[in-house]
Amino acid sequence: DSGVTQTPKHLITATGQRVTLRCSPRSGDLSVYWYQQSLDQGLQFLIQYYNGEERAKGNILERFSAQQFPDLHSELNLSSLELGDSALYFCASSVVGRSEAFFGQGTRLTVV
Amino acid sequence: GIQVEQSPPDLILQEGANSTLRCNFSDSVNNLQWFHQNPWGQLINLFYIPSGTKQNGRLSATTVATERYSLLYISSSQTTDSGVYFCASTLSQGGSEKLVFGKGTKLTVNP
Repeated sequence: DSGVTQTPKHLITATGQRVTLRCSPRSGDLSVYWYQQSLDQGLQFLIQYYNGEERAKGNILERFSAQQFPDLHSELNLSSLELGDSALYFCASSVVGRSEAFFGQGTRLTVV
Repeated sequence: GIQVEQSPPDLILQEGANSTLRCNFSDSVNNLQWFHQNPWGQLINLFYIPSGTKQNGRLSATTVATERYSLLYISSSQTTDSGVYFCASTLSQGGSEKLVFGKGTKLTVNP
């Protein structure tokens, strides 16, 4: 158990819908990252937050947004979903950006 | 930005064999991590190894930061070692930091 909790584990939804993925980082970790892994693809960096502030953006679509709350949990919002958004979404956390990162078990999103 | 390249992309072994996975990075790194993604999709931390050598059971890793590479050794492989092995390093730019992954080495261990 990495200590990073993601919910839900699985999500099946229709095209055009909006979903929210939730991440609780390890206790004491201030930095939260979101990654997308499509079928047989590598891990694509989406966005990083540090202590509530957005720090880095990767190839995140405009239909996607994220935030980190005062209690340090984070949410990734995906809207106007398309079939191609089907993927495994990971959250990771670390104490600070350069320290060891730990990943949650991921949320498997299927858009039908 | 930093580039992380892994080799080989695919590796098939018989149970009991040894293997070496390589990770090259294009720039000096502040950290280097190895992960194992099991067939269920979980990403498991193997090593946090900015430099030097570490061992954990049948697995060991070495990072030579000055030469910009890291190696992951798997000895006496087991079927449960199957999965994808990723290395990753932190790209720091202007206060932002993101973990950059290689494309992975897919390992299949046959009984």
